[in-house]
Amino acid sequence: SQTIHQWPATLVQPVGSPLSLECTVEGTSNPNLYWYRQAAGRGLQLLFYSVGIGQISSEVPQNLSASRPQDRQFILSSKKLLLSDSGFYLCAWKPLVRGWSGANVLTFGAGSRLTVL
Amino acid sequence: GQQLNQSPQSMFIQEGEDVSMNCTSSSIFNTWLWYKQDPGEGPVLLIALYKAGELTSNGRLTAQFGITRKDSFLNISASIPSDVGIYFCAGQRTGTASKLTFGTGTRLQVTL
Repeated sequence: SQTIHQWPATLVQPVGSPLSLECTVEGTSNPNLYWYRQAAGRGLQLLFYSVGIGQISSEVPQNLSASRPQDRQFILSSKKLLLSDSGFYLCAWKPLVRGWSGANVLTFGAGSRLTVL
Repeated sequence: GQQLNQSPQSMFIQEGEDVSMNCTSSSIFNTWLWYKQDPGEGPVLLIALYKAGELTSNGRLTAQFGITRKDSFLNISASIPSDVGIYFCAGQRTGTASKLTFGTGTRLQVTL
């Protein structure tokens, strides 16, 4: 079965410090990978998605970047954190198989809570 | 990015009551999904709908894919305290194979 791991679960960082959140998926190949951010009590904002190694699409211009160095690894980074980067970050994956309705189902990780002070 | 119109935004209900929430869009969707998010955790899939008019149940939960393909609803019967959380609808539009569009969420709180 497929599993998704996301870490760290909780992070407190000072303004101006770097960030690295990591996500890995097991039990599947060539997944689509996603990073979402959720502000407190709010909906899900898509930040980045990737359909393959080295392929990153950015949805919102911001202080963050994403990379996909391996097929099942997705990393969210920042060189200098801002206060507004605080939030709950969610990694997600879905199958790349086309022509199958179940390929539209997105599975989320447990999330990483980032507090920037 | 675009989000679906989800209502109500929040609900306070008593244990045992039935709950209904819905999502609407100006665009046609070919898939509708309903997720639940517990506090501090990632959303978990509840029900997936793939055909217009489809009605699917998962225990006390029932969801329908609107016949116009522009809406969906989720019903929870006989609510219990563990139903507390945020419920999100999500849709897949034709021609956007890689991305889902999410609703703004319905926060459900159940009182004894």
